[in-house]
Amino acid sequence: SAVISQKPSRDICQRGTSLTIQCQVDSQVTMMFWYRQQPGQSLTLIATANQGSEATYESGFVIDKFPISRPNLTFSTLTVSNMSPEDSSIYLCSVYGGTAFFGQGTRLTVV
Amino acid sequence: QQQVKQSPQSLIVQKGGISIINCAYENTAFDYFPWYQQFPGKGPALLIAIRPDVSEKKEGRFTISFNKSAKQFSLHIMDSQPGDSATYFCAASMGTSGSRLTFGEGTQLTVNP
Repeated sequence: SAVISQKPSRDICQRGTSLTIQCQVDSQVTMMFWYRQQPGQSLTLIATANQGSEATYESGFVIDKFPISRPNLTFSTLTVSNMSPEDSSIYLCSVYGGTAFFGQGTRLTVV
Repeated sequence: QQQVKQSPQSLIVQKGGISIINCAYENTAFDYFPWYQQFPGKGPALLIAIRPDVSEKKEGRFTISFNKSAKQFSLHIMDSQPGDSATYFCAASMGTSGSRLTFGEGTQLTVNP
């Protein structure tokens, strides 16, 4: 299994600002994923981030709003840009290692 | 488009009882069906998973039943315990297992002592 660390674990941000979430994995992985979990709801895939290539975004998510970096095989960042209260969610990093493992999530509140 | 439908939304059972959560999928290309358990403030953790070449898989108190023709699968928790109280998500993916998961809506399970 993979151990995934996310930072920050939670944050409260002003609307119009941006927040960058970091995801660190304890082993090298090819595929990393970012999910959003809105309050009391299910998980929705935002994008797939492979090292050395541009992230692939799911329908309804765009790079300008959620830019992703994947500089190496153990690290990725997700930025939530120009935030509004509707962006208040838990953002989860996931890696594929035989199956999907998840970090503990970043709880974002936009005020 | 919601491709995996999960029911019930919430479930209350007594300690020692059986908890049953159901999921139905639409995309016949799905070939990997995991269940995740999520406690408040934590990320989802893999509980058990099945592929469509088997109809049932059991791990301890947890069993997945799979009906390929009906495009349905379910999680059974035997001898439910208060520590099982959590939110359970079914999911599905195609190709590389565990990648690009499509999740059900989730079931909040409460096991009363």
